[in-house]
Amino acid sequence: AQKITQTQPGMFVQEKEAVTLDCTYDTSDPSYGLFWYKQPSSGEMIFLIYQGSYDQQNATEGRYSLNFQKARKSANLVISASQLGDSAMYFCAMREGHTGTASKLTFGTGTRLQVTL
Amino acid sequence: GAGVSQSPRYKVAKRGQDVALRCDPISGHVSLFWYQQALGQGPEFLTYFQNEAQLDKSGLPSDRFFAERPEGSVSTLKIQRTQQEDSAVYLCASSHPTSRGGNYEQYFGPGTRLTVT
Repeated sequence: AQKITQTQPGMFVQEKEAVTLDCTYDTSDPSYGLFWYKQPSSGEMIFLIYQGSYDQQNATEGRYSLNFQKARKSANLVISASQLGDSAMYFCAMREGHTGTASKLTFGTGTRLQVTL
Repeated sequence: GAGVSQSPRYKVAKRGQDVALRCDPISGHVSLFWYQQALGQGPEFLTYFQNEAQLDKSGLPSDRFFAERPEGSVSTLKIQRTQQEDSAVYLCASSHPTSRGGNYEQYFGPGTRLTVT
């Protein structure tokens, strides 16, 4: 089974509108972390936001927020007030195991977001 | 330098040649990861170092792949006798405890695009 599933290969959003990128995950580990990364055409992966499995509140970072629904095993990324510069690939990723240690990330297949005028 | 750097940015190799890809992590980051990203896919884990110790190499696809980090800073990923299926972008990431709860977000370099002909 896929550990990270991103079902939207591509999304369009108008400038200044909000958009939600879907991510579901699968793990039996009670301790895990969820990440969203942005990958522009230049190729570099840019860290956006993090949610720990024990965090009580949804994470927010500026225009980015993470809609964490633990029972549904979903961690959707919400981008508010989209900008043209938000056009990129977006990857959801999970780290399993104790949140106080470094360990590998498992990535989804990504969603390509295109922001239009 | 502020970020993770990788060299070369692009590499074309003839099938059967050996290649060496270099990664300079963020200064002070003890954890270093290598990922392989095929076209249109998310990155896949190859190997992980903590300082000079290679703690996880479970993602290396064959014994033609070898990674080292002898002094706990710069790392080299070597691929021997390259094959066409090795064509991909190779991403390096480094990580360190953060002041925000230790979520160990990984910071990625721009990648090396390897094309095997």
